[in-house]
Amino acid sequence: SAVISQKPSRDICQRGTSLTIQCQVDSQVTMMFWYRQQPGQSLTLIATANQGSEATYESGFVIDKFPISRPNLTFSTLTVSNMSPEDSSIYLCSVERLAGDNEQFFGPGTRLTVL
Amino acid sequence: AQKVTQAQTEISVVEKEDVTLDCVYETRDTTYYLFWYKQPPSGELVFLIRRNSFDEQNEISGRYSWNFQKSTSSFNFTITASQVVDSAVYFCALSPLSAKIIQGAQKLVFGQGTRLTINP
Repeated sequence: SAVISQKPSRDICQRGTSLTIQCQVDSQVTMMFWYRQQPGQSLTLIATANQGSEATYESGFVIDKFPISRPNLTFSTLTVSNMSPEDSSIYLCSVERLAGDNEQFFGPGTRLTVL
Repeated sequence: AQKVTQAQTEISVVEKEDVTLDCVYETRDTTYYLFWYKQPPSGELVFLIRRNSFDEQNEISGRYSWNFQKSTSSFNFTITASQVVDSAVYFCALSPLSAKIIQGAQKLVFGQGTRLTINP
């Protein structure tokens, strides 16, 4: 399985500020995904990040609010911009292995609290 | 539309009991993948199993077993002789092949999760 790390593991932020979350994978992967898990809820896909191209956002999520970078095959960042308390969630990075065999693994998550 | 329903919000059993977590899915795709993930209190998602829609064989892995029935669009998960360490939120997820073909990426649609508590 791929080893995925995320930074920071948790943070408490003030309303109106922005936070950038990093996701690092120990092997090259084709697709990286960013999910949000609001308190007590299921996971919702924010966007799909393919290396060398713009991220593809799901309905309800926009690039201005959640800009994503994917500079290489092992790294991605998600920024939560102009935060409000409603953005308090766990943000999880997920990867699909290069083999494309549909194995998808998740990082440990970043627990964000917005005051 | 793709949808996963886990009707059981919370289940609580005593240690050593068997417990089954239900998962019902909806998809128009004829080819898809089904997953189960475990989310312990620490928060990380642990991959448990992936099942191809063409493979209806039930699977057993230790105390875990999965019953895939295409006729009823269900993919249920049973824990035998439950243990306190099994306490977690369990998610069932669906990934339609069409999403991978059209967008080049597998996309997971998650159910709402079932919170399982195993009491000593």
